[in-house]
Amino acid sequence: KQEVTQIPAALSVPEGENLVLNCSFTDSAIYNLQWFRQDPGKGLTSLLLIQSSQREQTSGRLNASLDKSSGRSTLYIAASQPGDSATYLCAVDKLSFGAGTTVTVRA
Amino acid sequence: NAGVTQTPKFQVLKTGQSMTLQCAQDMNHNSMYWYRQDPGMGLRLIYYSASEGTTDKGEVPNGYNVSRLNKREFSLRLESAAPSQTSVYFCASSEPQWTPPYEQYFGPGTRLTVT
Repeated sequence: KQEVTQIPAALSVPEGENLVLNCSFTDSAIYNLQWFRQDPGKGLTSLLLIQSSQREQTSGRLNASLDKSSGRSTLYIAASQPGDSATYLCAVDKLSFGAGTTVTVRA
Repeated sequence: NAGVTQTPKFQVLKTGQSMTLQCAQDMNHNSMYWYRQDPGMGLRLIYYSASEGTTDKGEVPNGYNVSRLNKREFSLRLESAAPSQTSVYFCASSEPQWTPPYEQYFGPGTRLTVT
């Protein structure tokens, strides 16, 4: 059974600092890993998807890396802004989700 | 293009009552999913349908049934609601994980309270 863990559960940083969010999974035989953003009381919005054959994906200030052999993915958000405050979740093969990291960016 | 829609948005049930949560997608996706999200926890898969005509249990299927009515619609039924089923329910759709495009899309959620 795939287990997905996100540590830390919460993070608070001052505006402008780079964010590093971690996602680990137990079974390295995956098709893809997707990062989502969830605002309070809202649904999930896809940020980045990395296929198993890829090492990283980038979109604007966001960069996600994948190391299948070690069962880890990292989401980097450069130059954080208050609007980046949200919960970030990772999902493996659409079936197993982490509990999320709640990010607060202080102005 | 509405994406994934869910009805209702909010619902309050008494213990023992039944109800059906509706989900529809207009992206012509083959796969559809139902999850529940409880405070402090990630999404847990209840049921999914890899393609029209098939359904499979996820991590927490007890107390739920599903129907893949057609390619667009996937409903979740609670036959006899229990307080433990108080949660936010999300529907999602995508192509199967081995088929591009790979992204998964979510509906806005249904907030269900069972008293």
